[in-house]
Amino acid sequence: EAGVAQSPRYKIIEKRQSVAFWCNPISGHATLYWYQQILGQGPKLLIQFQNNGVVDDSQLPKDRFSAERLKGVDSTLKIQPAKLEDSAVYLCASSEDRANQPQHFGDGTRLSIL
Amino acid sequence: GENVEQHPSTLSVQEGDSAVIKCTYSDSASNYFPWYKQELGKRPQLIIDIRSNVGEKKDQRIAVTLNKTAKHFSLHITETQPEDSAVYFCAADDYKLSFGAGTTVTVRA
Repeated sequence: EAGVAQSPRYKIIEKRQSVAFWCNPISGHATLYWYQQILGQGPKLLIQFQNNGVVDDSQLPKDRFSAERLKGVDSTLKIQPAKLEDSAVYLCASSEDRANQPQHFGDGTRLSIL
Repeated sequence: GENVEQHPSTLSVQEGDSAVIKCTYSDSASNYFPWYKQELGKRPQLIIDIRSNVGEKKDQRIAVTLNKTAKHFSLHITETQPEDSAVYFCAADDYKLSFGAGTTVTVRA
């Protein structure tokens, strides 16, 4: 089966600019996750979707980050305006269901803020 | 929320020896514990997982043990090989997945 697809793989922007990331989950997976992974740390959950509804966004900095999952399939994560501390790898993952199922990760987008 | 602590942060072993990574968690409601392997610049890959109704699980050279009373779980890699060199993350799932800080494993040839 095809894995989780993400684009772009790399992005370099200046602070205060905006950026968007795209994710296509594994076909049939109802749950989609966005994680932020800062260098040297484990992934941190930003937002979790069940189909096209938000299940958890408690750690999403809502003043600058937004995410949507239209039609319960693809998802986009946006940052506007970006700050230096947003430099990280943004990982998308999907699973068959919300409750205790294996999560499969994409390759991520490495974001550098100048 | 869940807090996962992982030790050691770095681990160097001779090829053929065993490697053990230990994690503790805080939320007794957590009932799913996956382990991920992440090579430099690549995606985290699920290598093994265990649920709270099981005490031990093995898959070839990899095993995971879980002690729910003590709230700790461990990853054991036997007969280590150079391709086992990577960062390993433990995680605990109450209603969402919380990751440890990672262990960098280096297998010396």
